[in-house]
Formats: sequence, C-alpha cells, structure tokens
Amino acid sequence: QKEVEQNSGPLSVPEGAIASLNCTYSDRGSQSFFWYRQYSGKSPELIMFIYSNGDKEDGRFTAQLNKASQYVSLLIRDSQPSDSATYLCAVDSSYKLIFGSGTRLLVRP
Amino acid sequence: DAGVIQSPRHEVTEMGQEVTLRCKPISGHDYLFWYRQTMMRGLELLIYFNNNVPIDDSGMPEDRFSAKMPNASFSTLKIQPSEPRDSAVYFCASSLGGQTDTQYFGPGTRLTVL
Repeated sequence: QKEVEQNSGPLSVPEGAIASLNCTYSDRGSQSFFWYRQYSGKSPELIMFIYSNGDKEDGRFTAQLNKASQYVSLLIRDSQPSDSATYLCAVDSSYKLIFGSGTRLLVRP
Repeated sequence: DAGVIQSPRHEVTEMGQEVTLRCKPISGHDYLFWYRQTMMRGLELLIYFNNNVPIDDSGMPEDRFSAKMPNASFSTLKIQPSEPRDSAVYFCASSLGGQTDTQYFGPGTRLTVL
C-alpha cells in the first residue's frame, strides 16, 4: 500500500474555476503536510505547507487538513492557465518526507 | 543566491559505464537531499546529508549507487556500473532545517542509460 495517494489525473478545469486536488496518507502519526508544484520538465517547488487541522490560505491557494480522515487537499481559486502543472503532495512519516505521485492539473483557457 | 546547482543537466551513457552527478547546495543550508524521479515510481528520496554526514541512505537502490559530500558546498551521486533501469531524472535539493523544512530543488539531471 502506497503511503501517500493521489489521483494522477489529469484534472481539467476551465479558467476561473476552483481546482480541488486531494491526497490521502496512511501514517496516523504524520504531522507535516506539503504541496509542491512541478511544471513539465522543471523541478518541484513548495507552494503550501500545513501542520494543523483546518484551512490555511495563501492568496489563491487554500490547504485543508483533516487528520482524523487522513486527508489533505489543495484548492486553487480563480484557476489560471499558468496553474497547469503537476501537484505533489508530501507527508512526513517516520522522519522521512514521502511524496505522492502527483496530480496533473490542466486549466483550459 | 543562484539556487541549487546541478551538473550535468543531461547525461547519455551506455550500460556499464560510470556516471557521476554533481550538486552544489544553497549556501548556508545544512541539509542536502538526492532524489530520483520516474513515471513509474514518482519522486523517491535516495539519501540525505546533514552537515556533510550521510544520515539516511535507505533509499539507495543497491550497491551500485554511492553518494559523498566532501564539504558543505559539493556533493556527488555516483552510479557504477550504470544500467538502463537507472534512467530517470535525478534531483538534488537543500534545506535549512531538514526534510520537513522547505526544500529547494535543483534543475535536475536527466540520465539516459542505453
């Protein structure tokens, strides 16, 4: 069983819509959760992190964490074509950062 | 700062040859990570260093892989002998405070083993 699960997508949304990206994890002891964005042919870059249950907002991005359900999500409001990328969820587990395989997001103009 | 620097950006080699990938972390970062990314397995941590000391190499796939960090500004990942299944993008990343601190990734080295 994979420790961090993501739907590979692609998730296709029209420009201006809300994109919702989801991630589940298996380690109940995980405390730190990250979202990295990776454009095609480029390296991952951190866009959000969250440690506590609830929502954390940063500009158009909102990270949501539910530790009881072992679920973390990323919402992107007013999606832009420039948001088209692969989004990697990463979760700490036994002092290691485990990455999901990523969800590819396509924002249609 | 120039960010994490990796060389070469692309490497094409033949099976059995030795391959050496290089990384210069961001100055002042105490942690350095080597990752491998493939379509099948995603992004996998191979090994990481703290203050030039290898801390966890459990992700290194086999003895053909070795990594060194002789000083705070340079690290190498060596594959000897290389095999076609080693073809992947290899990323180096660095951070101030460990795996759960913001990791800054280099541009990666795309390795093709024929």
